[in-house]
Amino acid sequence: SYVLTQPPSVSEAPGKTARISCAGNDIESKIVHWYQQKPGQAPVLVLYYNTDRPSGIPERFSGSNSGNTATLTISRVEAGDEADYYCQVWDSSSDHRVFGGGTKLTVL
Amino acid sequence: QVHLQESGPGLVKPSETLSLTCTVSGGSITSYYWNWIRQAPGKGLEWIGTIDYTGSTIYNPSLKSRVTISVDTSKNHLSLKLRSVTAADTAIYFCARQSMASGWFDYWGQGTLVTVSS
Repeated sequence: SYVLTQPPSVSEAPGKTARISCAGNDIESKIVHWYQQKPGQAPVLVLYYNTDRPSGIPERFSGSNSGNTATLTISRVEAGDEADYYCQVWDSSSDHRVFGGGTKLTVL
Repeated sequence: QVHLQESGPGLVKPSETLSLTCTVSGGSITSYYWNWIRQAPGKGLEWIGTIDYTGSTIYNPSLKSRVTISVDTSKNHLSLKLRSVTAADTAIYFCARQSMASGWFDYWGQGTLVTVSS
């Protein structure tokens, strides 16, 4: 089955740029979605179709997908961005939905 | 505005069946893909399975032998049954909607904690 690998944690200072990776075999051939989850809450979509932002998500959130790695980039990190982030794809060969293991973003 | 609400027992005994319902309001349950996703305490998200608007289901291979997902269009809700539970099935269970198989989960329920314990 298809596997997505994320770093368990990423730390960044306020105002800097945080990058969260999501590795998968030939992930560039897949559509990647990203979710933010704060403690005690359901996940919230922050990027869809690799790079698109839902309404209400700041322009500071952007994405890329190339080769074997998709990346969520958060520019000018704020304390309110501290959360767990998950990447997700649909594996068309199996019809399975797949989540990455999640990355905890800590704002220093 | 679409709203999803999970409901069911918060405590299930080992070896018994976990049964949850997700009630959909503010929109029809037809023409979408409906998912169950869970999150063990302190762990990541785990996709359990999907049922589409035709009633076709697909399950996570790790749970396939114990899971059944169904939809009742007359009640606008979907159900999850997980048989022969163990402590490892203790988790927050979410229902979530997709507009297409490759799409994102656009609406989520708030989640319901199910503890497996005697």
